[in-house]
Amino acid sequence: DAGITQSPRHKVTETGTPVTLRCHQTENHRYMYWYRQDPGHGLRLIHYSYGVKDTDKGEVSDGYSVSRSKTEDFLLTLESATSSQTSVYFCAISESVTAEKLFFGSGTQLSVL
Amino acid sequence: DQQVKQNSPSLSVQEGRISILNCDYTNSMFDYFLWYKKYPAEGPTFLISISSIKDKNEDGRFTVFLNKSAKHLSLHIVPSQPGDSAVYFCAASASAGTALIFGKGTTLSVSS
Repeated sequence: DAGITQSPRHKVTETGTPVTLRCHQTENHRYMYWYRQDPGHGLRLIHYSYGVKDTDKGEVSDGYSVSRSKTEDFLLTLESATSSQTSVYFCAISESVTAEKLFFGSGTQLSVL
Repeated sequence: DQQVKQNSPSLSVQEGRISILNCDYTNSMFDYFLWYKKYPAEGPTFLISISSIKDKNEDGRFTVFLNKSAKHLSLHIVPSQPGDSAVYFCAASASAGTALIFGKGTTLSVSS
């Protein structure tokens, strides 16, 4: 496995609370991504980063923010969690912008009650 | 609008037979296509890819076929094994684009 660690692996939180998920890589890859996986929707891109402090929105970015202060860390924050954000969140890394091959972390199961 | 479509949510195949998973795309700018495999409680892992300059790529039991005129690709697994039971995601990218776009996935079940 590529050196990608997601934390926490599981989290239960209440509606309206802020939540931060962390992705840490040891591969020194430039590009990092956050995806969510939901039944009937597959994998959808939330945000991605193409360098330290350089981030951009994906297809489902509303309600999420990200930060990347170091090459190895990419944080995903739910400013005020909603039940619709209950999902499995995957971090991924790649060497190139076209992301021909992504390496995924093991995922974070988030439940918003 | 979905740019990458996997219209079959599930597929059941007997061990030893061929599994064919299909994927259609709408964006003519896509020029690189990949298949990922995902087991429960794990992240997706890369399986096989094909660029638009080819129409076939083979890796062991796995072959991907690309029909650019039809904007269609398929993954063939021969022979299928119970360990192939997983969710398979089709994905595409454009050389001038950004991140991969994934389909919704097809759950393959291979029975022994």
